[in-house]
Amino acid sequence: DGGITQSPKYLFRKEGQNVTLSCEQNLNHDAMYWYRQDPGQGLRLIYYSQIVNDFQKGDIAEGYSVSREKKESFPLTVTSAQKNPTAFYLCASSRSGGELFFGEGSRLTVL
Amino acid sequence: GIQVEQSPPDLILQEGANSTLRCNFSDSVNNLQWFHQNPWGQLINLFYIPSGTKQNGRLSATTVATERYSLLYISSSQTTDSGVYFCAVEVTTDSWGKLQFGAGTQVVVTP
Repeated sequence: DGGITQSPKYLFRKEGQNVTLSCEQNLNHDAMYWYRQDPGQGLRLIYYSQIVNDFQKGDIAEGYSVSREKKESFPLTVTSAQKNPTAFYLCASSRSGGELFFGEGSRLTVL
Repeated sequence: GIQVEQSPPDLILQEGANSTLRCNFSDSVNNLQWFHQNPWGQLINLFYIPSGTKQNGRLSATTVATERYSLLYISSSQTTDSGVYFCAVEVTTDSWGKLQFGAGTQVVVTP
């Protein structure tokens, strides 16, 4: 079945550690996105990529990094520079300018 | 940036009741989507509706782009309709999928 797969679903991290969240899609979508959601809040854009080997910062990119080496994959690294990394992270994809589809999300907790 | 306001913030319904959720936005938009976030956090696409009216089962949506608002109608509500409903808008054609989210409407449907 076509869709967006995020892993892991749950992740615990000690302060000072980098972690990488995986996002893979088999929808043949050009664009991919990472959003962050805090409890009781809407979603905020971290990074997005419209084509392979290119990506742009969203509204809250500080403390995060991404890569887009393959069309299907858009991993997000939460670095130790991110001051409040505990959150729910959602990956999404779309055709150029079309409807956005989301993965099931990854919950990151910093201990 | 564009402001997206959803009302009401919270809604409690008895099973079988009808309801209307509203989304106001402060600027012209190219796209508008409605999502339902289930209790497990997954965002489910409901409507991709930059203008006009669409219906899908017990749900329907209307966007009046010239007046900068969209409405989501839930008829004959069921307990499975519980969750958070988000409205999200895309401002320009250069920003594929750069959706600006509202804060959401938390809906609880009681048996």
